[in-house]
Amino acid sequence: AAGVIQSPRHLIKEKRETATLKCYPIPRHDTVYWYQQGPGQDPQFLISFYEKMQSDKGSIPDRFSAQQFSDYHSELNMSSLELGDSALYFCASSLGGSLAKNIQYFGAGTRLSVL
Amino acid sequence: AQKVTQAQTEISVVEKEDVTLDCVYETRDTTYYLFWYKQPPSGELVFLIRRNSFDEQNEISGRYSWNFQKSTSSFNFTITASQVVDSAVYFCALSEAGSDGNEKLTFGTGTRLTIIP
Repeated sequence: AAGVIQSPRHLIKEKRETATLKCYPIPRHDTVYWYQQGPGQDPQFLISFYEKMQSDKGSIPDRFSAQQFSDYHSELNMSSLELGDSALYFCASSLGGSLAKNIQYFGAGTRLSVL
Repeated sequence: AQKVTQAQTEISVVEKEDVTLDCVYETRDTTYYLFWYKQPPSGELVFLIRRNSFDEQNEISGRYSWNFQKSTSSFNFTITASQVVDSAVYFCALSEAGSDGNEKLTFGTGTRLTIIP
């Protein structure tokens, strides 16, 4: 079965550069979530989209933005990168629309290293 | 605010032993969902189970079992006859309703389980 696809798997950037992470949800899933997992930490919710509209927002820095496109894939744009942005970024997808017992399935993550 | 506590930071057991991972949660919601995810050394997050707040039946799936007790706000996970492949970080998570009903997950800090051959 198709899973959540994230690209790239690994990304190395320098401080103050920009990065774009991509997420392709499971087919027919309309909700996408982004999480950030720092070294030795638990995943922290950043932002989510349902039917191409922002659904909820967590502790996402103003330097980050995201959107969901008409084909339901999502991109997380990160600007003015800082050393502290180095983390594993997960995308998850689910069938959304209500508090309807949705399971979030995660991609393999993008490991971002900021030098 | 929702909170998930996994008091056990690291656990090591010898292969074939049983092991229980503890999870305690806090929420003011009457409807919520609890999850367990596995993160092996390769890094991906693998869904294991979801349980809703109205279903306190225990569940067994092969060597895995889960004990949900609403009275103590706990959702513990037991692996019987552990195997080396069970070595991973295990996260307990709680879902809360987002602004339009879509769920975001609040994770515990994880328990690193090491199975010693």
